Amino acid sequence: DAKTTQPNSMESNEEEPVHLPCNHSTISGTDYIHWYRQLPSQGPEYVIHGLTSNVNNRMASLAIAEDRKSSTLILHRATLRDAAVYYCILVVAGNQFYFGTGTSLTVIP
Amino acid sequence: DTEVTQTPKHLVMGMTNKKSLKCEQHMGHRAMYWYKQKAKKPPELMFVYSYEKLSINESVPSRFSPECPNSSLLNLHLHALQPEDSALYLCASSQAVANTGELFFGEGSRLTVL
Repeated sequence: DAKTTQPNSMESNEEEPVHLPCNHSTISGTDYIHWYRQLPSQGPEYVIHGLTSNVNNRMASLAIAEDRKSSTLILHRATLRDAAVYYCILVVAGNQFYFGTGTSLTVIP
Repeated sequence: DTEVTQTPKHLVMGMTNKKSLKCEQHMGHRAMYWYKQKAKKPPELMFVYSYEKLSINESVPSRFSPECPNSSLLNLHLHALQPEDSALYLCASSQAVANTGELFFGEGSRLTVL
């Protein structure tokens, strides 16, 4: 059973912000929220992770709802290189990474 | 070195063959993973090794046999596979407790079973 649900696809114009949503209503108190992305013909790569508080890094920001049942990955200025499938993942028991269905992001020049 | 190296990149095998997929990392990680990914689907967790011991087996059929001979190597032995086992097999590694860190993935081994 998928532990997270995401829209199948989204589009964004280049240089504009992108908000990628994820629902994880069955999250438990110790589950971390991770985001990875996968470019064609490559393995997934880490984007960001968090537990309760919002997080920022050089790639993106992660906004976590107060009840932790949803989160949003924010790409501040989409570029063509950001076109990928973005996966929202719950990490259970320290090292069980269960991928969600993923959102395919198209960036329009 | 932040690489996870998988070999071979492509493998074609018959249903009666025995073959192995190999994965190597030199980041000192003590957890290693096998995932299976079908086309246009998310990766599915198969096995997790922690400190060279199998800690998670997600009810994977016995025709897939994992092995972790040391902390840097992870193998997946394949025997009597079915055509529906054709997929991209991804290896990953991480610190032993990974929820506050990240998984490092290889580029995968693309398996075709005839």
